[in-house]
Amino acid sequence: AQSVTQLGSHVSVSEGALVLLRCNYSSSVPPYLFWYVQYPNQGLQLLLKYTSAATLVKGINGFEAEFKKSETSFHLTKPSAHMSDAAEYFCAVKDRGSTLGRLYFGRGTQLTVWP
Amino acid sequence: DGGITQSPKYLFRKEGQNVTLSCEQNLNHDAMYWYRQDPGQGLRLIYYSQIVNDFQKGDIAEGYSVSREKKESFPLTVTSAQKNPTAFYLCASSVDTEAFFGQGTRLTVV
Repeated sequence: AQSVTQLGSHVSVSEGALVLLRCNYSSSVPPYLFWYVQYPNQGLQLLLKYTSAATLVKGINGFEAEFKKSETSFHLTKPSAHMSDAAEYFCAVKDRGSTLGRLYFGRGTQLTVWP
Repeated sequence: DGGITQSPKYLFRKEGQNVTLSCEQNLNHDAMYWYRQDPGQGLRLIYYSQIVNDFQKGDIAEGYSVSREKKESFPLTVTSAQKNPTAFYLCASSVDTEAFFGQGTRLTVV
């Protein structure tokens, strides 16, 4: 089974500062990779996904992530944090060779943005 | 608008009761999923269904049951055998590489 590790269950940044949320996966074959955002008592919203050759993926709300095969990582960044970015973020993977669409999730990172 | 509708948003269960969480989608997706979310645990797969009248256990199926009689509907029953049912439950459907999530149901045992 896939394993997804999100380093840091809580990250705090000041408004305007760089946001960096870390994600590492375990499989030897690079999977499909996703970042989702969740606001309190809401479902998950897709921020971005990596499915093909372009290793730098741009998503919504100014977020982007870079796939690094050598590091088995897919870290999420945003150059300048906004108060509205405060939420929980989940990294997820899907087996590339599987017809089943199930996702394997990390434990989540709660992002706090200070004014 | 196409999407996934979960109901109710909040649900309270007395100990020993079975409760059913509703999940309906109008995206015409074959595959549907139920995930459980606990603080600090991420999302864990309970059950999934890839086609009508077929479903499979996920990683934490004990104490839960599902049915898939219609493509649009994938209800989850939390039975009295589930010893710790208090959690946030998310339903999803998928096509190709993309998954779509409902707004969730928060179940609390009282």
